[in-house]
Amino acid sequence: GNSVTQMEGPVTLSEEAFLTINCTYTATGYPSLFWYVQYPGEGLQLLLKATKADDKGSNKGFEATYRKETTSFHLEKGSVQVSDSAVYFCALSEWTGGFKTIFGAGTRLFVKA
Amino acid sequence: DGGITQSPKYLFRKEGQNVTLSCEQNLNHDAMYWYRQDPGQGLRLIYYSQIVNDFQKGDIAEGYSVSREKKESFPLTVTSAQKNPTAFYLCASSPDRHEQFFGPGTRLTVL
Repeated sequence: GNSVTQMEGPVTLSEEAFLTINCTYTATGYPSLFWYVQYPGEGLQLLLKATKADDKGSNKGFEATYRKETTSFHLEKGSVQVSDSAVYFCALSEWTGGFKTIFGAGTRLFVKA
Repeated sequence: DGGITQSPKYLFRKEGQNVTLSCEQNLNHDAMYWYRQDPGQGLRLIYYSQIVNDFQKGDIAEGYSVSREKKESFPLTVTSAQKNPTAFYLCASSPDRHEQFFGPGTRLTVL
């Protein structure tokens, strides 16, 4: 079945460092791809999305490009802040008699001042 | 303000008890979902509903039950048959295939 694999954490960076969190997927058809963020004790929030190949999603300085040829959707940010410390989930949507979302295991990011 | 509410935020259950977690949305979304999250892990789908009066089992439905009598509401019951219910439970809704909107979660602890 469809699946999402993302890099294991935790990832620890200093403030203003460059961030990359790798995400690859397996899917039949053409899924939509997402990055969600979860702050401690809260639900998930959509960070960005891309609905077709070569689309770039962006929000709050974060970016990810839908790469069909490499089945990847890596998350990047040029300069992280302490407030970016959270868990990041890569996800895809699939149709199996209804739309469902498949989530990766999550990557915890710590940003030090 | 539109959104999803879950209650209670914290819930304690004695072994052998059934408990019901509430999820309400005023976003007019057709689809609703329940997930379980264990420490350091991703989300696992328990049940989902695409429309009122219809729902399907997810990947870990055993020991759980749901109902969808109203579009706005999708309560989850954790039954005594669920052997390890201590976890963080997240409810979500979706207007289409593109994204899900999550509630703040309920943390269930079995005493």
